[in-house]
Amino acid sequence: DQQVKQNSPSLSVQEGRISILNCDYTNSMFDYFLWYKKYPAEGPTFLISISSIKDKNEDGRFTVFLNKSAKHLSLHIVPSQPGDSAVYFCAASSGSARQLTFGSGTQLTVLP
Amino acid sequence: DSGVTQTPKHLITATGQRVTLRCSPRSGDLSVYWYQQSLDQGLQFLIHYYNGEERAKGNILERFSAQQFPDLHSELNLSSLELGDSALYFCASSAFIGQGSGYTFGSGTRLTVV
Repeated sequence: DQQVKQNSPSLSVQEGRISILNCDYTNSMFDYFLWYKKYPAEGPTFLISISSIKDKNEDGRFTVFLNKSAKHLSLHIVPSQPGDSAVYFCAASSGSARQLTFGSGTQLTVLP
Repeated sequence: DSGVTQTPKHLITATGQRVTLRCSPRSGDLSVYWYQQSLDQGLQFLIHYYNGEERAKGNILERFSAQQFPDLHSELNLSSLELGDSALYFCASSAFIGQGSGYTFGSGTRLTVV
């Protein structure tokens, strides 16, 4: 049972345009959400996070939106750059142990 | 370099064998998490150690075990290996349980069982 789902395995976007990556979750106990970026042959690196008490968090070109009623979050990248091409994982956590539950990832390709 | 060191980077072994994957957390981090990433799948949580004690278990098979040593490095032991155990195994560390900015991941160990 996948508690965190990324339904789009891949996304292609033109350089300079907006990239929107989506993520859905089923566990209402999740209270913290994160996005990680992963390049080939490297481990995932933290990108941005949001607490369930907020509905938006912004960091430079990256903005994460959280819609708790829909159990949906999205990552917006504006403007997209070729260096943003990577696999993006959304993740969620709850409870005292704080282990992360990851989605299956979306491969973003930004075309020059 | 993330500061989390995983060795070896690649491992090829036969079915039925046993291997040990090693993780050295970032300096000062007390928590170590192990994750498995199979082909086209997300990262599956295996186990979490905090300052030498097991804190949480995920989808970890009985053939797998882990421990965290007094110097805080951790080892993941995989035994009676099967073809389906072929995957990327990631270790991550964090300073505390519940650190908001998430974990710092190592670059992973790619295990191939033949």
